[in-house]
Amino acid sequence: NAGVTQTPKFQVLKTGQSMTLQCAQDMNHNSMYWYRQDPGMGLRLIYYSASEGTTDKGEVPNGYNVSRLNKREFSLRLESAAPSQTSVYFCASSEAGTSADTQYFGPGTRLTVL
Amino acid sequence: QKEVEQDPGPLSVPEGAIVSLNCTYSNSAFQYFMWYRQYSRKGPELLMYTYSSGNKEDGRFTAQVDKSSKYISLFIRDSQPSDSATYLCAMSEATGRRALTFGSGTRLQVQP
Repeated sequence: NAGVTQTPKFQVLKTGQSMTLQCAQDMNHNSMYWYRQDPGMGLRLIYYSASEGTTDKGEVPNGYNVSRLNKREFSLRLESAAPSQTSVYFCASSEAGTSADTQYFGPGTRLTVL
Repeated sequence: QKEVEQDPGPLSVPEGAIVSLNCTYSNSAFQYFMWYRQYSRKGPELLMYTYSSGNKEDGRFTAQVDKSSKYISLFIRDSQPSDSATYLCAMSEATGRRALTFGSGTRLQVQP
């Protein structure tokens, strides 16, 4: 059981380049989330998917798109990267997406935009 | 003003000390309260979870929630160097939004 996996672990982009961050979970969870973590800001929700086939905006969705490819996979795309998107990105999943659910986090992707 | 406030630290204590970590919040709709531990360059992992007000104990860890004061605490007894990490409080409402609102985290260093 790998839990939540994320690829890549590190990435350096130039302003304007695009990339997709991949996330997969093997716990048969219904809900998946993308957060970004910045110094002094805690984790902030970018997008989430309550169940397969649905996605919703979180607190900081501008500049990002997501795809819930199937129950296991939830990707985050930066169409035109900006230096303000330099951050550590975490994917998480939970069983049913209710408030009481435990969210399990992946190891993170460290992204630098020059 | 942030919805959840947490002192960033760092908090440095000697091994064996009792540690107190705290968060305050402004949203009275929060009903679920969690503490996550995050080691350097790792993802957060759930440490404690409580619903509404009250205390919960798990080994060396005790979580307290005071909804009347909008204040939550995590106590660590007999702290160990392996407890050195960043501790994030998180909370969510009972209905609707299915994601967590996090504090910014407190960095704890336990000196051997």
